[in-house]
Amino acid sequence: AQTVTQSQPEMSVQEAETVTLSCTYDTSESDYYLFWYKQPPSRQMILVIRQEAYKQQNATENRFSVNFQKAAKSFSLKISDSQLGDAAMYFCAYRRWQGAQKLVFGQGTRLTINP
Amino acid sequence: EAQVTQNPRYLITVTGKKLTVTCSQNMNHEYMSWYRQDPGLGLRQIYYSMNVEVTDKGDVPEGYKVSRKEKRNFPLILESPSPNQTSLYFCASSSAETGANVLTFGAGSRLTVL
Repeated sequence: AQTVTQSQPEMSVQEAETVTLSCTYDTSESDYYLFWYKQPPSRQMILVIRQEAYKQQNATENRFSVNFQKAAKSFSLKISDSQLGDAAMYFCAYRRWQGAQKLVFGQGTRLTINP
Repeated sequence: EAQVTQNPRYLITVTGKKLTVTCSQNMNHEYMSWYRQDPGLGLRQIYYSMNVEVTDKGDVPEGYKVSRKEKRNFPLILESPSPNQTSLYFCASSSAETGANVLTFGAGSRLTVL
């Protein structure tokens, strides 16, 4: 079974600086998807970024980018120019390429932005 | 507005008292699923449905039931709730075209079982 591990329960960063959230996963499959979700205090789940495993190029969405290391099974999220609105719980998630319509989530990392 | 609506948003109940958390989507999505979120565990899938009358177990189905009689609705039933079912519950839907790559989540239902 696939597992996703986020080893940083909490992180903090100064406003306008850069922070990187770590995620590792375990799978025997070669094709899959990886995601980062944001959960602000409102509890709403918001998709931040998605990466297809077959793509070598790292996905980016404005201030959010990933460092995808397939061989190391690592998928970190970098947030540049951190803003107060970035404060949230962040979840890393894995999905198989085909088959079950399920996301396997990590434990989450709570990000605090210091003004 | 395209959305997934869950009710109730908050509920406190007692052990053994049957309850239903409703979930409705207005996007004509084929796929619907339930997740529970617990501290230190992230979100885990309880049940999912690929279409009307098609449901299957996720990773933590014990103590839960679901049904999909209509495409838009996917209620989660706790026949005899226990304290270990105290959790934050999310319903999610997606189209057959995108699958779980583009999930629309409900706002969550906070359930406390005493």
